[in-house]
Amino acid sequence: DAKTTQPPSMDCAEGRAANLPCNHSTISGNEYVYWYRQIHSQGPQYIIHGLKNNETNEMASLIITEDRKSSTLILPHATLRDTAVYYCIVRVGPNNDMRFGAGTRLTVKP
Amino acid sequence: DTGVSQDPRHKITKRGQNVTFRCDPISEHNRLYWYRQTLGQGPEFLTYFQNEAQLEKSRLLSDRFSAERPKGSFSTLEIQRTEQGDSAMYLCASSPGGQAPFQETQYFGPGTRLLVL
Repeated sequence: DAKTTQPPSMDCAEGRAANLPCNHSTISGNEYVYWYRQIHSQGPQYIIHGLKNNETNEMASLIITEDRKSSTLILPHATLRDTAVYYCIVRVGPNNDMRFGAGTRLTVKP
Repeated sequence: DTGVSQDPRHKITKRGQNVTFRCDPISEHNRLYWYRQTLGQGPEFLTYFQNEAQLEKSRLLSDRFSAERPKGSFSTLEIQRTEQGDSAMYLCASSPGGQAPFQETQYFGPGTRLLVL
């Protein structure tokens, strides 16, 4: 019962920006948007999270629309090592778990 | 490396045997989570500890599964009488514990991959 919708797969050319969309149309005011990625056979890796404002860190940028119904994760200069499944997760309080959906499989091509 | 660690990384067992996995969270993280991930799916929540107290259990956690965190540090997940359907990646995550749970980032370990023959 994930509350997000993501495309199942995307391709990106190496060195270009990868823009991964996520729809969360039922999000409410106090719910956070988290992004994780999972490289084959490894545990999920935290990327970034946000509530209302756009966020940027050393890995990525997170753009959240003003109505908060969708967001985009931006990897500014994708490399082959960014090939992974990317999960967009809406954190619902007071539940303590992370509700993962199927994610987007990003393939970065040379 | 001060991340979450899990042991073993891989386990092959025969149906009916018992297995135990260990998770060492990030030092001083009060919250610890167990998830299960089957092939092609995202991780699914199993259970959650605040210090040594087990506060939540998913309906996925059948009677054959038990988890402990005896001293509020490392945790163990035991599966009794394993079945082929238990084959999955078992993931552990931890978070600091200073904010409401849903406001905290969870940091995941590398997982233990279980294969039941």
